[in-house]
Amino acid sequence: GAVVSQHPSWVICKSGTSVKIECRSLDFQATTMFWYRQFPKQSLMLMATSNEGSKATYEQGVEKDKFLINHASLTLSTLTVTSAHPEDSSFYICSAKLAGATDTQYFGPGTRLTVL
Amino acid sequence: AQSVTQLGSHVSVSEGALVLLRCNYSSSVPPYLFWYVQYPNQGLQLLLKYTSAATLVKGINGFEAEFKKSETSFHLTKPSAHMSDAAEYFCAVRARGSSASKIIFGSGTRLSIRP
Repeated sequence: GAVVSQHPSWVICKSGTSVKIECRSLDFQATTMFWYRQFPKQSLMLMATSNEGSKATYEQGVEKDKFLINHASLTLSTLTVTSAHPEDSSFYICSAKLAGATDTQYFGPGTRLTVL
Repeated sequence: AQSVTQLGSHVSVSEGALVLLRCNYSSSVPPYLFWYVQYPNQGLQLLLKYTSAATLVKGINGFEAEFKKSETSFHLTKPSAHMSDAAEYFCAVRARGSSASKIIFGSGTRLSIRP
């Protein structure tokens, strides 16, 4: 149980285009989802916290107009990288917290974004 | 504010040897503590977590960690390393008292296993 999927697993796009990444909790309801980015050989950095039905809370330094987050249902959150540039190339990982749970997040397998 | 420090960005041990990955936390009150493992190009998998019960926490794949308040440490150990243990390991902390508070990750330790 507690499986989180991400789609796509990897994507290559041209500079200036937008890319949407989906994060789904497959067998549980997730009131809260988190989006992280990870640069090569570095740790995960939290980008934003997404609560179902409300606006996402972004971490300091993360451009909310560039990284659009939508959490329209209890099982789906999306991250859209708008007008992507090569410096946005990274590994994006989402996690989901069980509704009512206090401490455990379940992580997706990640999405590798490469912007040419 | 919460933080974790992982000592050693790279640890190499021989197959069958003891694995010890160090993690120290900083928090005004004992937080929730976690160890995650990440295999190449994959997401994170929870190894174990400390919430407030036993200070010695047993996780998956034979790993365990001991919460030591006096040392503000939460080191990860495994008695006998296996080749499949080669991966990146992250220590993480989350504050108590808020169900939605964020997890702060350490910088990670890459574990290599020598045949």
